[in-house]
Amino acid sequence: GAVVSQHPSRVICKSGTSVKIECRSLDFQATTMFWYRQFPKQSLMLMATSNEGSKATYEQGVEKDKFLINHASLTLSTLTVTSAHPEDSSFYICSGTGPLETDTQYFGPGTRLTVL
Amino acid sequence: AQTVTQSQPEMSVQEAETVTLSCTYDTSENNYYLFWYKQPPSRQMILVIRQEAYKQQNATENRFSVNFQKAAKSFSLKISDSQLGDTAMYFCAFMKRTGTASKLTFGTGTRLQVTL
Repeated sequence: GAVVSQHPSRVICKSGTSVKIECRSLDFQATTMFWYRQFPKQSLMLMATSNEGSKATYEQGVEKDKFLINHASLTLSTLTVTSAHPEDSSFYICSGTGPLETDTQYFGPGTRLTVL
Repeated sequence: AQTVTQSQPEMSVQEAETVTLSCTYDTSENNYYLFWYKQPPSRQMILVIRQEAYKQQNATENRFSVNFQKAAKSFSLKISDSQLGDTAMYFCAFMKRTGTASKLTFGTGTRLQVTL
């Protein structure tokens, strides 16, 4: 299957700072990328869907000004958590789909964010 | 909106035995996909098996097979000859078939422990 990477794998930051998480498709062009959030021992909750070159579509209840998503190229999407607070601490996972296999999402390994 | 229900929070099976994980879903859609994903302690999401709703034949991947009952909206996963490496969280997921990239709706997961 196709490979998706995320960077960093873990990040610790102070409350009030911003953190950027990168999601890269390494061997395919990800026309659509998804960002999920997973709290401990819980399921994945979709935060937003981004199509290359377009503004992201956020799920209900997700603050678009707090979770900035950029999908400027076919291989890179970024999630920026702005003015992070301890309640933003979570595991963030991205996935990507290519132009032909729209029914298959390839997942990154996730990023653990801890806000102190 | 679609919902996915996994009624078994935890299950345990002995090595080499067979276990079945249950999943039910609710949708008004007729064209969709169903998935089982595995999330081991590494947190990497791994696709186990996929079923297309228009196909009556149950999907099979080596030791993994599904029992897809479309009328009952049931999609159970059977793991045969369980191995220690099968220990993981298992998520059932639904995706509407649209021809373009579509989001996944996950169930709450079943934690499977394979014991000696």
